[in-house]
Amino acid sequence: GQSLEQPSEVTAVEGAIVQINCTYQTSGFYGLSWYQQHDGGAPTFLSYNALDGLEETGRFSSFLSRSDSYGYLLLQELQMKDSASYFCAVGNFNKFYFGSGTKLNVKP
Amino acid sequence: NAGVTQTPKFQVLKTGQSMTLQCAQDMNHEYMSWYRQDPGMGLRLIHYSVGAGITDQGEVPNGYNVSRSTTEDFPLRLLSAAPSQTSVYFCASSKTETVHEQYFGPGTRLTVT
Repeated sequence: GQSLEQPSEVTAVEGAIVQINCTYQTSGFYGLSWYQQHDGGAPTFLSYNALDGLEETGRFSSFLSRSDSYGYLLLQELQMKDSASYFCAVGNFNKFYFGSGTKLNVKP
Repeated sequence: NAGVTQTPKFQVLKTGQSMTLQCAQDMNHEYMSWYRQDPGMGLRLIHYSVGAGITDQGEVPNGYNVSRSTTEDFPLRLLSAAPSQTSVYFCASSKTETVHEQYFGPGTRLTVT
């Protein structure tokens, strides 16, 4: 089966850096994706790692360690608009399995 | 481009009724999928399609049917609605070569009483 674990909630202040971890167990693995979802909205794609290492996209970075079945999303220079839920997802052939999400609260 | 569109935005059904949730995309994406999202949970894959005429089951397919007669459209049919199907339904699409980068529609909020 597939399982992904993320912290349920994280709080940080504006301008800070926050890391959201994701550990997974899967029978097949083709990469780790991250999505952002604001309350009442649709998920939007943020980042993807197929290989070990760090991928940087502006203020957001994502890291993957396949040997540890672990990844994280790093958000820098936090802004109020970053308050949202963040989901990791693993791909297995054409099937995708999502974690339960981490709610990020950014405080002034 | 309109991206991924879904109709209706909201729907209330009685137990046992059937209905079709519509999904369309204008990006010429080969891959399309349906997810449900329950409160406080992540998305769970219901069905997916890698191209017109090809569909397959996801993680939670029971009670749902799909078809893919065109590249653009991927409707989801609820055969006999049950309260357990109360959820928010998202349709998504992506290119085959970047299937992990999915574009989501705005969602349909379904309540079954």
